[in-house]
Amino acid sequence: KNEVEQSPQNLTAQEGEFITINCSYSVGISALHWLQQHPGGGIVSLFMLSSGKKKHGRLIATINIQEKHSSLHITASHPRDSAVYICAVRSNNDMRFGAGTRLTVKP
Amino acid sequence: KAGVTQTPRYLIKTRGQQVTLSCSPISGHRSVSWYQQTPGQGLQFLFEYFSETQRNKGNFPGRFSGRQFSNSRSEMNVSTLELGDSALYLCASSWVGGSYEQYFGPGTRLTVT
Repeated sequence: KNEVEQSPQNLTAQEGEFITINCSYSVGISALHWLQQHPGGGIVSLFMLSSGKKKHGRLIATINIQEKHSSLHITASHPRDSAVYICAVRSNNDMRFGAGTRLTVKP
Repeated sequence: KAGVTQTPRYLIKTRGQQVTLSCSPISGHRSVSWYQQTPGQGLQFLFEYFSETQRNKGNFPGRFSGRQFSNSRSEMNVSTLELGDSALYLCASSWVGGSYEQYFGPGTRLTVT
């Protein structure tokens, strides 16, 4: 079993829908990152969390340390949100990654 | 402020050769991490450097090595290349390490034939 599990693996949504991507982890962490990767490979860091909730524009990330779970929400989704979203945790001075969630938003 | 730069962007090598990849972090950042991304294994941690010291290394063979210079620029080296080393190699910089926001470079796509 992977130390970082994401669900769903693939997600297709219609423009305007509310989207949730989940991440569960089984190790102790000092931080959790949500990353976005567009076709072509470039990775952008969306959030870095150690507790609570953060919001940037239409994106919201939450983490529950006790339950070892984090969620990434996208409100009013748009085709430009189509990308792979990756959850990564910082544990023992290294990073462990989920397999990613491929999101496609259709107009 | 300039972002993280990686050179070269694309590279084709033959089995058995060695390769050196370079990463220049954002000005002022002292930590550089390296990652390998393949279709089969996804993203995997290679190593992290802070102030010229390797803080941790992922589960990779000794053929993978790296270093960081006094100006925080970092290089990674892969010797005796194997077909399975074909991957996108990404570096990321941050102020002090992975518990802080990481800024990723565009990656170097290495193809081993």
